[in-house]
Amino acid sequence: GQQVMQIPQYQHVQEGEDFTTYCNSSTTLSNIQWYKQRPGGHPVFLIQLVKSGEVKKQKRLTFQFGEAKKNSSLHITATQTTDVGTYFCAGDSGTYKYIFGTGTRLKVLA
Amino acid sequence: EAGVAQSPRYKIIEKRQSVAFWCNPISGHATLYWYQQILGQGPKLLIQFQNNGVVDDSQLPKDRFSAERLKGVDSTLKIQPAKLEDSAVYLCASSSHTSYPIYEQYFGPGTRLTVT
Repeated sequence: GQQVMQIPQYQHVQEGEDFTTYCNSSTTLSNIQWYKQRPGGHPVFLIQLVKSGEVKKQKRLTFQFGEAKKNSSLHITATQTTDVGTYFCAGDSGTYKYIFGTGTRLKVLA
Repeated sequence: EAGVAQSPRYKIIEKRQSVAFWCNPISGHATLYWYQQILGQGPKLLIQFQNNGVVDDSQLPKDRFSAERLKGVDSTLKIQPAKLEDSAVYLCASSSHTSYPIYEQYFGPGTRLTVT
């Protein structure tokens, strides 16, 4: 079955440093979503990417969808303590059935 | 607009007992998902409804788990009998296709189940 892996599993950064998490799917995706989950909270939608090679920006966050639509990345510039949490990608193979990745837990040290 | 509501928020049961979770999605959202999130892992899809019909339940352990969506609105997820490995947070999410091509999932606060 479809698998979605993320690396790294954990990342500790100093406040102000950049952070990147990578998402890889075993199958070609129709679209990919990114979510943020704060400790003790529920996943909150960040963005959805649909087109091959698509790049979208939200303030300090940059999202990219690979040309083959099998991988994606999330880059945060100049991290802040409010960025703490676990970032998940979720891939859809075309049936609106989303398979969540393993997640990257980000810790920001002030 | 009101968010996705779930109850109870916490539940502790002994193994072999039964438990039920309730979810009320955002009004008008046709798609409803139930996920199981084990500590330290990503949410795992258990079942997906479109209105009151099941779209996908391939990962639902049907020997012990069951789910229904009444009149295409509220949904309940039941476990009978529970096992220790069912300890997890059960998340309900809903989405609307009127925002095509974006299918943002709105998650409820979840029900934390502990099986002892």
